[in-house]
Order: sequence, then C-alpha cells, then structure tokens
Amino acid sequence: AQSVAQPEDQVNVAEGNPLTVKCTYSVSGNPYLFWYVQYPNRGLQFLLKYITGDNLVKGSYGFEAEFNKSQTSFHLKKPSALVSDSALYFCAVRAFGGSQGNLIFGKGTKLSVKP
Amino acid sequence: NAGVTQTPKFRVLKTGQSMTLLCAQDMNHEYMYWYRQDPGMGLRLIHYSVGEGTTAKGEVPDGYNVSRLKKQNFLLGLESAAPSQTSVYFCASSMTNTGELFFGEGSRLTVL
Repeated sequence: AQSVAQPEDQVNVAEGNPLTVKCTYSVSGNPYLFWYVQYPNRGLQFLLKYITGDNLVKGSYGFEAEFNKSQTSFHLKKPSALVSDSALYFCAVRAFGGSQGNLIFGKGTKLSVKP
Repeated sequence: NAGVTQTPKFRVLKTGQSMTLLCAQDMNHEYMYWYRQDPGMGLRLIHYSVGEGTTAKGEVPDGYNVSRLKKQNFLLGLESAAPSQTSVYFCASSMTNTGELFFGEGSRLTVL
C-alpha cells in the first residue's frame, strides 16, 4: 500500500532563515513525488515534482526538493524564507505506472514565517 | 485565463437534500478529479475521470456520484446529503497521467 507522511503539523521559521518541510513516502517501485502549496481559502498550487533524473528538483518561488531513495524522503527546502511563504504545504506520491487515482496526499504542514 | 472553475463556492444543505457541484476546465485536460479536504485529513480522492465519458472511484466514493458527459465538465452529485459530507470540495484537472494537477478554488459545503 502507498502512503505518505508529513511528520510535522507546523514548522516555524524566521524570515531570511532556511526552511525545510519534511516528507517521507512508501510505494512499491519507483515513485512520482509532488509538492503543492495552499494559501488561505484558495485551491492547491503546484510547486514541483520528481519523476526521474536529477535528485535535486527546482520549482516555483525559489523552492527545491531533494529526492533521497535510500531514506524514502522528498523534503521541501528554501534557502531564505519569506513571510509570504506562510501557507499549508502538501506532499503527494504515487507509484510509477500507477493510475492518477492512486495519488496520495499527505496531511499537510503549516509553514509560518515570522518577520 | 480561467483554468478550473467550481460552482457554487458556498452551499448550505439540510440532511437528505441533494445537490450538484459543477467543475469546468478550459485547458483541454483529459483527467479530472474531485477531492474533499477535511481538517487534519489532507485531501482524499472521491472520484476521478481519465477522459470524456469515463469515471472511476477514488478513496472515499460512498454517498457521491459523478458524471463526465463533456470533456471540460466534471459534475459531483450528492443524492442525500449527510452531516459527514460537510467539507471543502476541490476539483482538479491534469493533462497527462503524470502531470501536475490544477485545482479550482474550492466549494465549501455545510450539511445541517
């Protein structure tokens, strides 16, 4: 069975500091991995994805994520946080070759960036 | 540049009433999805469609029906609403089986 875990309900960071939002996954075979962001009262927006290739994936708004197969992790990172990055972040995963119906979302991590 | 549009944005129902949520996308996407979002639960897939005329069950399909008569529209129906269906519903679409999802703004449904 597939699963995805975001172990932190909330992450607090000071503006200008680096941020990390954690995601670990479990799938059979190779994974497709995604990060989405949700601002208050809005739909989710795509940030980045890993399908294959380079383990370091760069995405929108200066975010990046590193795929680590041995640790089954796909942590979201940004070198310097902005107050405007405060939002709810979702990791999602499904197995290579699986259907879109098997895309599983994590429960979300609330990122709070303070000035 | 509409993307994915959901109507209505808000609705209050009484237990046992029926309603339909409409999702429309103007990106010519093949795949469309209905999710529900509940606090602490993340997003859970209700039903999805891989093309016009097709539908498939997701993780939590009970109590819901869907139809995809036109490629650009994906309807979610509640035949007899229950308080457990109080949630925020999101429609999404994607071009391919591996593509990113484009989400609507959500429809907040309250069942009393």
